[in-house]
Amino acid sequence: ETGVTQTPRHLVMGMTNKKSLKCEQHLGHNAMYWYKQSAKKPLELMFVYNFKEQTENNSVPSRFSPECPNSSHLFLHLHTLQPEDSALYLCASSQGASDSPLHFGNGTRLTVT
Amino acid sequence: SQQGEEDPQALSIQEGENATMNCSYKTSINNLQWYRQNSGRGLVHLILIRSNEREKHSGRLRVTLDTSKKSSSLLITASRAADTASYFCATGTNYGGSQGNLIFGKGTKLSVKP
Repeated sequence: ETGVTQTPRHLVMGMTNKKSLKCEQHLGHNAMYWYKQSAKKPLELMFVYNFKEQTENNSVPSRFSPECPNSSHLFLHLHTLQPEDSALYLCASSQGASDSPLHFGNGTRLTVT
Repeated sequence: SQQGEEDPQALSIQEGENATMNCSYKTSINNLQWYRQNSGRGLVHLILIRSNEREKHSGRLRVTLDTSKKSSSLLITASRAADTASYFCATGTNYGGSQGNLIFGKGTKLSVKP
């Protein structure tokens, strides 16, 4: 149990589908993050939320749409994805300070067919 | 752009041996962190070293930081099969700001054979 729970663990979707990834943290943290992990690439930061406000959007295509209704929940809405979007999507949380460790969930393995 | 870069990309050792992984980075940092990732799981934070520190220990882990060379090393002593995982360095570059600028390398894949 990491304190950060992601659902679903696995997701297969077609390019015309709409789906959502969910993340929930039970650590009382203020900041939440979405990262994308593809094979043979460094972990890519996608979005950052601090106290529910988006503070970073790393030039992510609009087919990825984040939502943070409160400090404990984070969603990633997906629509009209491409096969190259197949990856492990990791959610993380932290206290928000520049030297606070990140606590990761176990990720959602997404396959776009 | 990639900040941290781990070396080697893959490392295979026998149980009981020490494992050393290196990380180089390009810009000024305020802290450097090491994480471990077991196959199919999320990353787990191991240790953080600040830019004004040179060495830090945590159990069987020893981390060094050389800001003049922009490099760090992670040493795992007396390795165990359970240490088999990928290890990532991540650099924090945002002084006093959010964690949003934590940039990860591609990782070192460590295999410890029993």
